[in-house]
Amino acid sequence: KAGVTQTPRYLIKTRGQQVTLSCSPISGHRSVSWYQQTPGQGLQFLFEYFSETQRNKGNFPGRFSGRQFSNSRSEMNVSTLELGDSALYLCASSLTVAGGLTETQYFGPGTRLLVL
Amino acid sequence: DQQVKQNSPSLSVQEGRISILNCDYTNSMFDYFLWYKKYPAEGPTFLISISSIKDKNEDGRFTVFLNKSAKHLSLHIVPSQPGDSAVYFCAAQRGNTPLVFGKGTRLSVIA
Repeated sequence: KAGVTQTPRYLIKTRGQQVTLSCSPISGHRSVSWYQQTPGQGLQFLFEYFSETQRNKGNFPGRFSGRQFSNSRSEMNVSTLELGDSALYLCASSLTVAGGLTETQYFGPGTRLLVL
Repeated sequence: DQQVKQNSPSLSVQEGRISILNCDYTNSMFDYFLWYKKYPAEGPTFLISISSIKDKNEDGRFTVFLNKSAKHLSLHIVPSQPGDSAVYFCAAQRGNTPLVFGKGTRLSVIA
């Protein structure tokens, strides 16, 4: 079974531009979460989508947004890029969310974004 | 306010010896804990997890211990191998809320 894929793997943008990152979850997984990893920081949660609906949102400004399609693929968008947005953006997928059952998240390789 | 803390940014261990990675948390409502391993240029890989109703979970060379009263968990790797050299992230979760990660500990296993 193919793992989580993210495109592109590397991206260079300039301040003020916007960027769209893509994530394809493991086949059959319906939940997709996005994380930002910066040097010296752990993984910081951005948002989670399940069945095309945003279930949870982290503490990031409104410039960060996302969506999920009917095939569970997800995109995240960052508008008006700032230097501090330079980071590794990771996507993770999991099977389902059901009651209190915790589903293990499986991560993609990430998209490394550099903002100049 | 950091809810999950990994106070050691790095750790060096000789091959064949035990590696012990530590993690502290502040939220007593967390009920599920996980360890992920991350190699450079790759995403984190799930390693092992433990529910708050247990105090130990073992999988091959990897064992996670949970001390709820101290709000502390640890990952033991025995014996350590050079291929274990990576960054290890501790994560905690309450129900279906998002995972909360620590900042990671870089483990170097020296041959």
